[in-house]
Amino acid sequence: AQSVAQPEDQVNVAEGNPLTVKCTYSVSGNPYLFWYVQYPNRGLQFLLKYITGDNLVKGSYGFEAEFNKSQTSFHLKKPSALVSDSALYFCAVRDRVRGYSTLTFGKGTMLLVSP
Amino acid sequence: EAGVAQSPRYKIIEKRQSVAFWCNPISGHATLYWYQQILGQGPKLLIQFQNNGVVDDSQLPKDRFSAERLKGVDSTLKIQPAKLEDSAVYLCASSLDGTESYEQYFGPGTRLTVT
Repeated sequence: AQSVAQPEDQVNVAEGNPLTVKCTYSVSGNPYLFWYVQYPNRGLQFLLKYITGDNLVKGSYGFEAEFNKSQTSFHLKKPSALVSDSALYFCAVRDRVRGYSTLTFGKGTMLLVSP
Repeated sequence: EAGVAQSPRYKIIEKRQSVAFWCNPISGHATLYWYQQILGQGPKLLIQFQNNGVVDDSQLPKDRFSAERLKGVDSTLKIQPAKLEDSAVYLCASSLDGTESYEQYFGPGTRLTVT
């Protein structure tokens, strides 16, 4: 089965500084990877996905993610953090069941951006 | 376009009672998902529908949980009888087509507390 791991429960960063939220994956075959964000009392919102192509994927709200096959990682990054980026971030990997796509999520990383 | 709608937003019940959640996906989305998100964990897929057929319900506790998607649009998830460990946020999501890696769009969730 496909899986992802998010090694950090929480990441703290000061506003204006670059941020990185880590994700590693374990898959058989080519990985299809996703990042979602969850604000308090809200559902998950799609940020970006890697299917194939460039290793640097750009997404919503200025976020990007770097796919690294040799390190089996898909870290989420942003050059300059905003206080409003504070939220819960989930990495996910596509799995396939009887020809249909499904997602397996990591446990999540809380990002706290201080003013 | 309207997002995924869920109701109720919050529900408190006693153990052994029954409860039902409703979801209305984005218009035109063939695939509908129900997830369970326990505090501190990532969402776990309970059941996936493609139109009105079940694609994957391998993680649905079928002795107490049931779900249906009549006419391939709205869906309901029921728990009967509820246990304390069912306390969680129940998320509904939809995607254009479950056979491809389209992103999933999530509703705001229903927070269930079982006392």
